[in-house]
Amino acid sequence: KNQVEQSPQSLIILEGKNCTLQCNYTVSPFSNLRWYKQDTGRGPVSLTIMTFSENTKSNGRYTATLDADTKQSSLHITASQLSDSASYICVVSAVTGGFKTIFGAGTRLFVKA
Amino acid sequence: GAGVSQSPSNKVTEKGKDVELRCDPISGHTALYWYRQRLGQGLEFLIYFQGNSAPDKSGLPSDRFSAERTGESVSTLTIQRTQQEDSAVYLCASTPASGSNTGELFFGEGSRLTVL
Repeated sequence: KNQVEQSPQSLIILEGKNCTLQCNYTVSPFSNLRWYKQDTGRGPVSLTIMTFSENTKSNGRYTATLDADTKQSSLHITASQLSDSASYICVVSAVTGGFKTIFGAGTRLFVKA
Repeated sequence: GAGVSQSPSNKVTEKGKDVELRCDPISGHTALYWYRQRLGQGLEFLIYFQGNSAPDKSGLPSDRFSAERTGESVSTLTIQRTQQEDSAVYLCASTPASGSNTGELFFGEGSRLTVL
C-alpha cells in the first residue's frame, strides 16, 4: 500500500534555531518527492523536488535529503524565522500511467520569538 | 490568471443545503485535483481529472459529492444535502500534462465551507 508518514506531528522551536522534519514512504514505482509549505489559511506551495538520483537539494534555508534505498527524506530548516511557522507536507509521486500523488499528514511547525 | 483561482473563498450554509465550489486552473494545465482538508488535518484526495480521460473519483466520500470538468477548463465540486461533517477547506490544484511535468501541484487558496 502506498503510504507517506511524517514525523513529528508538530514541533515548537525558538527563532534562530535549526530543525529537521522526517518523511518515510512506501510508494512505488517512485517518481519524485516534494516538500510543500502550507501557511495557515493558504494553499500548499512547493519548496523542493527530488528525483530518485538526487541525495540533497537546497532552497535558501531549506535543505531536503533523500535516501531512495531506505525510502526516507528529511527537510532541514536552518536559522528558523517566525515566517517559517507553517505545515510542511511531504508528497511522493508514483508513475502509474500518469502521476499519482500521495500526501503525508504534515508536520506543524511553530517558531516562537 | 496567473494562478489557480477558487470561489467562493468562504461559504457558510445550513445543513441540508447544496453547495457548489468552483476552480479555475492555470491555463494549459490538463490535470486538476480536488482535495478536502479538515481543520488541523492533512489533505484528503477527492477526485482527479486528466484531460478528456474518465476522472478518478476514488476519493469521493459519498454519493452526495460530485464534480465536473469540461475539457481543460473550469471545474465545479458539488456537495448535495450538506452535513456538518462536510465543513472543511476544499483545495483545488492543477498541473501540466503528465508527459512533461514533474508532478508539482499548483494549489488555489481554497474554499472554506462551514455547515451550520
